[in-house]
Amino acid sequence: GESVGLHLPTLSVQEGDNSIINCAYSNSASDYFIWYKQESGKGPQFIIDIRSNMDKRQGQRVTVLLNKTVKHLSLQIAATQPGDSAVYFCAERTFYGQNFVFGPGTRLSVLP
Amino acid sequence: NAGVMQNPRHLVRRRGQEARLRCSPMKGHSHVYWYRQLPEEGLKFMVYLQKENIIDESGMPKERFSAEFPKEGPSILRIQQVVRGDSAAYFCASSSGQLNTEAFFGQGTRLTVV
Repeated sequence: GESVGLHLPTLSVQEGDNSIINCAYSNSASDYFIWYKQESGKGPQFIIDIRSNMDKRQGQRVTVLLNKTVKHLSLQIAATQPGDSAVYFCAERTFYGQNFVFGPGTRLSVLP
Repeated sequence: NAGVMQNPRHLVRRRGQEARLRCSPMKGHSHVYWYRQLPEEGLKFMVYLQKENIIDESGMPKERFSAEFPKEGPSILRIQQVVRGDSAAYFCASSSGQLNTEAFFGQGTRLTVV
């Protein structure tokens, strides 16, 4: 069936550098996307979302980019901090009333 | 405004016993999702419910697993005759169901079958 996948299972970055986490999705009908952050032993926490009628959305230190042509989603974290260390998941939703499909996740490790 | 509440946080069951996992959605939310997560893996969709209705149970195993979201009270994920392979973290999320709104997750129930 349709699925959401990630290119990089692990990512290590130096503190203060920018991080880019990628996600490929295969369902062209998906129209809503979310990035979640999951710290060890906790539930996923909402970071930022984007609708399919947008190609970029910015939050505090985070930016999500959506390229519908190649069905690619990315999360950019500026000035990565130790507290950003976690597993990051992208999720897609096809249309109203359907469930959220999650990718396998990328572990971000911030090096001192 | 309490978030999504799951209990218990940790549950230990012997093989063959029943496990009941509870999820109280955020106030005002009528849509509940259950996901299962193995260590170092992603979240696998199990079931999507609205009040008194199962909308999508395509991720639920055909046997031993069931879910409900009654008109009153929390959503319940029930696993009968548990086996060691059922050991995992089970997460519940809730949403308002409105178009293009996020789902909020609870802290999960970690089930260990011994």
